[in-house]
Amino acid sequence: AQSVAQPEDQVNVAEGNPLTVKCTYSVSGNPYLFWYVQYPNRGLQFLLKYITGDNLVKGSYGFEAEFNKSQTSFHLKKPSALVSDSALYFCAVRDMNSGYSTLTFGKGTMLLVSP
Amino acid sequence: DSGVTQTPKHLITATGQRVTLRCSPRSGDLSVYWYQQSLDQGLQFLIQYYNGEERAKGNILERFSAQQFPDLHSELNLSSLELGDSALYFCASSPRDSRSSGNTIYFGEGSWLTVV
Repeated sequence: AQSVAQPEDQVNVAEGNPLTVKCTYSVSGNPYLFWYVQYPNRGLQFLLKYITGDNLVKGSYGFEAEFNKSQTSFHLKKPSALVSDSALYFCAVRDMNSGYSTLTFGKGTMLLVSP
Repeated sequence: DSGVTQTPKHLITATGQRVTLRCSPRSGDLSVYWYQQSLDQGLQFLIQYYNGEERAKGNILERFSAQQFPDLHSELNLSSLELGDSALYFCASSPRDSRSSGNTIYFGEGSWLTVV
């Protein structure tokens, strides 16, 4: 079985400060890892993914994420937060060897960036 | 815009009724997924179709069913609706059944269902 944990329901950060949204995962094999963002009353938008290779993955809107196999983590980061980054962020995992292509999502983390 | 189109965007219906949600995947995508998002359950995978055939089943109730048509659009049928079925229903698509690849799944904007 595959699972994702996002330990923080909400993250608060001031505009211009760095932000981190945490994600840990559990799979029996090797993981594919994804981050999505959901703005109010909108669908999920793909931000970035880790498949293989460099542990630091760069994505849309200046976001990046670092894959850490030993800590089974895939934290989302941005060097300088914008008020417009305020949204609900989801981490998702797919077990490479599960035989299925579906994603399992975490419960989401609300990011609030204050001016 | 992800390229995944869902209709209707909003739907209000009474308990006991039946509704159909429709999804058009991105051009060329063969896999369609349905997810349910609710406050208490979060994002739950319901079902996946690949090129017209059911591929994977998640937490889908027996009152719910889906299908994918030859033109690859999909419909999610929800029957005997209960108050607890009120949720945002997402359709998503990906190029193929990526069992061993890292294909991204792209989501539509969702269909808001309110059962009263």
